[in-house]
Parts: sequence; C-alpha cells; structure tokens
Amino acid sequence: DAGITQSPRHKVTETGTPVTLRCHQTENHRYMYWYRQDPGHGLRLIHYSYGVKDTDKGEVSDGYSVSRSKTEDFLLTLESATSSQTSVYFCAISDLGAQRQETQYFGPGTRLLVL
Amino acid sequence: GQQLNQSPQSMFIQEGEDVSMNCTSSSIFNTWLWYKQDPGEGPVLLIALYKAGELTSNGRLTAQFGITRKDSFLNISASIPSDVGIYFCAGTDAGNNRKLIWGLGTSLAVNP
Repeated sequence: DAGITQSPRHKVTETGTPVTLRCHQTENHRYMYWYRQDPGHGLRLIHYSYGVKDTDKGEVSDGYSVSRSKTEDFLLTLESATSSQTSVYFCAISDLGAQRQETQYFGPGTRLLVL
Repeated sequence: GQQLNQSPQSMFIQEGEDVSMNCTSSSIFNTWLWYKQDPGEGPVLLIALYKAGELTSNGRLTAQFGITRKDSFLNISASIPSDVGIYFCAGTDAGNNRKLIWGLGTSLAVNP
C-alpha cells in the first residue's frame, strides 16, 4: 500500500468554522490531489499540487484552499465550512512511472460533517 | 466536467459467477485505470492500462484498453464474497494527462 495517511479520519464541525484536513505521504511523490466523494457525483477534484508551493484548481475548488510547504504534506482548508461541504474527502498521490502515465494512489479518506 | 459512462450501475450476482463491466468515453484516452472501493476506505488501484489493445490480468481480474481508445472493460472471474464493493474506472485524455476523469462506479453485490 502507498504510504498515505489522512487526518483527522472523522470530523464534525459547525457552519462557519474553519477546517483543515491534512494529507501526509511517505512516497516522495511529486503530485498530490484532494478529491471529494458524494453520492451520485463520484470523485471530484478540488485542488492538486505539482510540487512544493505549486498548486492549481480542480473542478470544484470554490470554498476551498490548499497549501503545500513540504513534499510530504498537502493541506486542504475550508475557510468557512458550509453544509454543502459535508462529504468524504480523499487525498491521492502520483508520480509518473515507467510508463510516463498518470496513476494515482489514494488515502483512507476523511469523513466531514458540517452541521 | 467530463465523466465516463460506466455500466452497469449495479450488479447482484451469485458466488462463482463471472462479472463484466465497462466504461466508455467521448474522447480518446491515453490511460485507463480500474479501482475498487470498499465501504469506509479509499479507492484501491486494481489494474492500469497504458496502450490501446492492452490486456492485463491481476489474479481473477482482467481488463482491456479498447482498440478505439474510447473504452475499457473489467472482467472478474469466479466471483467470491470479498469481491463486493464499488468498482470505478478512470482515465486521462489527450488534453490533460495529469487529471483523472472518473466514472460513477459499478456497485457489485455477491450472494454467497
């Protein structure tokens, strides 16, 4: 299994509060991703990083920000949580392998409930 | 955003039966990936395909990268109860090889 951990694994928070989720990898992979998973929508990309301090938006980035100050850590922040951000959040990592093509490996997920 | 057309949406089979599911895209893909997700866990990569026509096996699982580069299938032979879960296809198209495009999943239930 790829060395990816996410913390916390579960969180309950109130609307309007800030929330930070952490993804930590031990694989020294260059690329890291944050997804959210909701019924009927599958996996949707929030933000991704292609190196330290290099990040870009995904398809559902509104209301989220990210930071990557070290190769191994990728933080996802909800500045002011809303009920629509209740979801399961997954971190993924990748690096171009021998085939020079994209293959992503996922963490165990964080279940976030915004009341 | 673009999504893959994955079918069937769900399957309920008897233990020992073979299973087949597929994904199609509207554009040419460079990579096809198949993942399995168990309840409460993250998706786990099963098979990765990188060339048109490629046929790859992983135990009882076999997947193929379609010749047209617009489809892929996953077969599971002699299903067992631990095959239960949601299977996702994903891939990259010619426009962006860093972002995966996902199907909505096939939910598999196996009756022992």
